[in-house]
Amino acid sequence: GDSVTQMEGPVTLSEEAFLTINCTYTATGYPSLFWYVQYPGEGLQLLLKATKADDKGSNKGFEATYRKETTSFHLEKGSVQVSDSAVYFCALYSGGSNYKLTFGKGTLLTVNP
Amino acid sequence: GAGVSQTPSNKVTEKGKYVELRCDPISGHTALYWYRQSLGQGPEFLIYFQGTGAADDSGLPNDRFFAVRPEGSVSTLKIQRTERGDSAVYLCASSSRQGDTGELFFGEGSRLTVL
Repeated sequence: GDSVTQMEGPVTLSEEAFLTINCTYTATGYPSLFWYVQYPGEGLQLLLKATKADDKGSNKGFEATYRKETTSFHLEKGSVQVSDSAVYFCALYSGGSNYKLTFGKGTLLTVNP
Repeated sequence: GAGVSQTPSNKVTEKGKYVELRCDPISGHTALYWYRQSLGQGPEFLIYFQGTGAADDSGLPNDRFFAVRPEGSVSTLKIQRTERGDSAVYLCASSSRQGDTGELFFGEGSRLTVL
């Protein structure tokens, strides 16, 4: 079945540091890939997505590239801010009509000033 | 409100009791989802509604769990004879159309604690 494996957290960085959160997946067919973010006290929200191989999703300075050959969708940001502190979830959708997402376990990011 | 609203935000109950969790989706969203998030885990799919009908309930763990959406808007997740293992955050999400963007809009969740 479908699965998503994320880098174990927590991750603690200083402001302006470079961020990478690794995500690899197993799926049938050619899934669409997503990063969702959950800020403290808020619901999950879509951060970025990519729907086919070599697509790059980007938003708020974050980027992730759909790599079919390595089945990966790593999240990166060149310079993190304190306000980026949140839990980040990698997710996939592998087909069908119900848009059921399969999530990774989440990675807690804390950015210190 | 503008977003997905879930009530209660916190529920503490005793083992064996019955619980209802409510979700009010974004107005006009026809698709509604329930997920469960246990401590240290990502959200796990429970059930999906398109309109009033449950299009996919394959994620419901057993027959103690049931969900309804009688008028195609508000949904209620019902848990009978609660067990300690049911303790989790129950998330509701909605979307405007199935399958075209992958963007689900999530509520803040209902945290259920079964003592």
